[in-house]
Amino acid sequence: EVQLVESGGGLVQPGRSMKLSCAASGFTFNNYDMAWVCQAPKKGLEWVATISYDGSSTYYRDSVKGRFTISRDNAKSTLYLQMDSLRSEDTATYYCARHSYGGYGYFDFWGPGTMVTVSS
Amino acid sequence: DIQMTQSPASLSASLGETVTIECRASEDIYNGLAWYQQKPGKSPQLLIYNANSLHTGVPSRFSGSGSGTQYSLKINSLQSEDVASYFCQQYYDYPYTFGAGTKLELK
Repeated sequence: EVQLVESGGGLVQPGRSMKLSCAASGFTFNNYDMAWVCQAPKKGLEWVATISYDGSSTYYRDSVKGRFTISRDNAKSTLYLQMDSLRSEDTATYYCARHSYGGYGYFDFWGPGTMVTVSS
Repeated sequence: DIQMTQSPASLSASLGETVTIECRASEDIYNGLAWYQQKPGKSPQLLIYNANSLHTGVPSRFSGSGSGTQYSLKINSLQSEDVASYFCQQYYDYPYTFGAGTKLELK
């Protein structure tokens, strides 16, 4: 059974950092591109970042470029999102999502999400 | 960025009814479109990819169609478990973008 379990969310002050993790199981992690997608409270979905199956390529939305870093450890089947210089507008539930096999841009499996609240 | 305009924002329908949700892209996305269902307090689940391909395990009452800039999701014979929010997503180009969502309720 495919499982994605996020962790690391919580309350953080503006300007500080936070690192999210996503533990994957039930599939061959290093065969899949992975992504983070966020959803502000009562709002829609926003793609945040994608990393290729081998970690060689990364892509970000403009609003997080230079502040967020997506990475992965294939030996541990774990995806990460390092979030620096956090802003109030980064407050959201962050979902770890698996890209479809072959690297297509849609997401065929999502974790339950972890909430990040940026507030003083 | 490619803008995705989704309509309606909310929809009320009766059990057994057929409902249609539309998504319009700001430019041609060449069928690079997916639909997701999100129930309250849960993560999204993939329904349709490549505009009209049904994801594994999704009931056949869900279908997708469209091309170019205009796409739609149709739910035949609405069931109570279909009460949810629905989102479209384009993956033709970065940044991937989603529609604002359609909240489907029972009448």
